[in-house]
Amino acid sequence: AQTVTQSQPEMSVQEAETVTLSCTYDTSESDYYLFWYKQPPSRQMILVIRQEAYKQQNATENRFSVNFQKAAKSFSLKISDSQLGDAAMYFCAYRSANDMRFGAGTRLTVKP
Amino acid sequence: DTEVTQTPKHLVMGMTNKKSLKCEQHMGHRAMYWYKQKAKKPPELMFVYSYEKLSINESVPSRFSPECPNSSLLNLHLHALQPEDSALYLCASSHPRGQTNTEAFFGQGTRLTVV
Repeated sequence: AQTVTQSQPEMSVQEAETVTLSCTYDTSESDYYLFWYKQPPSRQMILVIRQEAYKQQNATENRFSVNFQKAAKSFSLKISDSQLGDAAMYFCAYRSANDMRFGAGTRLTVKP
Repeated sequence: DTEVTQTPKHLVMGMTNKKSLKCEQHMGHRAMYWYKQKAKKPPELMFVYSYEKLSINESVPSRFSPECPNSSLLNLHLHALQPEDSALYLCASSHPRGQTNTEAFFGQGTRLTVV
């Protein structure tokens, strides 16, 4: 079974600074997708960024970028120019077929 | 329309009650999911429907009964629940794998309390 591991239960960053959230996963499949989702206190799960495993280029969405290392099964999220609105729970997710699994999450605090 | 709509937003039910959670999407997604989320924990997969057929059941107790009447609707029927079943229940939908835009879209969830 696929597993997703987030080893940082909590992270803190100063406003306007950069922070990196870590995620590793375990799979025997070659075709899969990886995501970062954000869940603020409103509890709505919001997609931050997606990465297809067959793409070598790291995905980027405005201030959010990933470092995808397929051989190492690592998928970290970098948030640049952190804003107060980035404070939330961040979940790394793995999808193969119709089976989407989440890591334990990292709670990000942004300090003004 | 990129919304997944869940009703009700909050539900309090007794252990002998029967209730249903509803989920609706109009994005043409043919994969729909139920997740259970306890406080400060990640969502745990319960059920997956693909093309209106149940494709994954994560050994969920039979007091939870999913139903997918058509490609836009997903229900979760609840009966004889236990207090430990109190949680946030999230519905999600996505295109089946192999298509573009493979991310799942989530509803805002139903906060369920079993008394």
